[in-house]
Amino acid sequence: KNQVEQSPQSLIILEGKNCTLQCNYTVSPFSNLRWYKQDTGRGPVSLTIMTFSENTKSNGRYTATLDADTKQSSLHITASQLSDSASYICVVSDRGSTLGRLYFGRGTQLTVWP
Amino acid sequence: EADIYQTPRYLVIGTGKKITLECSQTMGHDKMYWYQQDPGMELHLIHYSYGVNSTEKGDLSSESTVSRIRTEHFPLTLESARPSHTSQYLCASSGGQVRSIVETQYFGPGTRLLVL
Repeated sequence: KNQVEQSPQSLIILEGKNCTLQCNYTVSPFSNLRWYKQDTGRGPVSLTIMTFSENTKSNGRYTATLDADTKQSSLHITASQLSDSASYICVVSDRGSTLGRLYFGRGTQLTVWP
Repeated sequence: EADIYQTPRYLVIGTGKKITLECSQTMGHDKMYWYQQDPGMELHLIHYSYGVNSTEKGDLSSESTVSRIRTEHFPLTLESARPSHTSQYLCASSGGQVRSIVETQYFGPGTRLLVL
């Protein structure tokens, strides 16, 4: 069973609308959680990284939240644009940077329609 | 934009052929990784390296091999390609001179491999 579960699996929204993607994890111990954006045919690009002590982090129109107690994270996208169409991947690390293993979710495929 | 490159971007090859997927980075990163990703599925780590002459197998068993003779170069080789090797292969790197508690992995654009 994957230790990082994302929902929904896919999402279609209209341009200009907001949306929220969910990530639940069971990884323990916990070090940090990252959200990546992966455009079709490209490699993932980091959006945000949050450690245990951080509960929110923003990157432009992207805002990630983390509840380490419930082991949940969300990625909120504001005023969506066509270029937001991509797969959004939640990644959890179980230890520090040099030794930590990364656990990948399967991603949420977001499609933004004009 | 990350300075990590992969070639070829697409490869269609027949069963039994030997192939090498190239990955290079110009960021001075000491750590490099190879992931395998099937459509709609999570990334799986197949190989990683913490520096020159250091290579380790990842979580997903793979028939491929890697080498790290130079810091910037981390090629992956399949001695005899099979249809089951059809997938997308992503190379990544992290680290560098600035040490951080949390390191970001920078990914290349990937190689889409189709074995007929």
